[in-house]
Amino acid sequence: QKEVEQDPGPLSVPEGAIVSLNCTYSNSAFQYFMWYRQYSRKGPELLMYTYSSGNKEDGRFTAQVDKSSKYISLFIRDSQPSDSATYLCAMSDSGNQFYFGTGTSLTVIP
Amino acid sequence: EAGVAQSPRYKIIEKRQSVAFWCNPISGHATLYWYQQILGQGPKLLIQFQNNGVVDDSQLPKDRFSAERLKGVDSTLKIQPAKLEDSAVYLCASSGARVDEQFFGPGTRLTVL
Repeated sequence: QKEVEQDPGPLSVPEGAIVSLNCTYSNSAFQYFMWYRQYSRKGPELLMYTYSSGNKEDGRFTAQVDKSSKYISLFIRDSQPSDSATYLCAMSDSGNQFYFGTGTSLTVIP
Repeated sequence: EAGVAQSPRYKIIEKRQSVAFWCNPISGHATLYWYQQILGQGPKLLIQFQNNGVVDDSQLPKDRFSAERLKGVDSTLKIQPAKLEDSAVYLCASSGARVDEQFFGPGTRLTVL
């Protein structure tokens, strides 16, 4: 069983839609949770960081962590064509080595 | 603030040849990571340095891969000899004291023919 599972998609939505991206994990020791955005032929860039459980909001982006279900989500409100990218979840128990999901490819259609 | 620099951006070699990648982290970042990202997969950590010491290299195929970080700044990753399955993007990242201070470079796309 992989440490982190993520649906690779692809996901295609119309502009303005609410997007929900999810990851599940098996290691109950994970307490650092990250969401990265990766544009084609670029390195990942950190989008959201959450420590332990709970929600975090930043503009149109909301990250949720449910440690009891070992499940994390990223919501994008009012999606824009510029949000088209691959979204990677990553998590760690120590804050050192991070385990990444396979990434979900998102396309927002104008 | 300058980001993480990597070179070359692209490299094509034949199997059994050797190749080296270079990374210059963000100034002042003590931690440096090398990741391998195969097409359609997430990045996989190969090696992590803290200053010029190795913190974790458990997933580095040491029979063919080697890495060094001289003087705790720049780093090089070498593959010798390369195999077809080494075709991937090699990402370098550096981080500061905080967990959310990890920044990635643009990557080196390696194709092994």
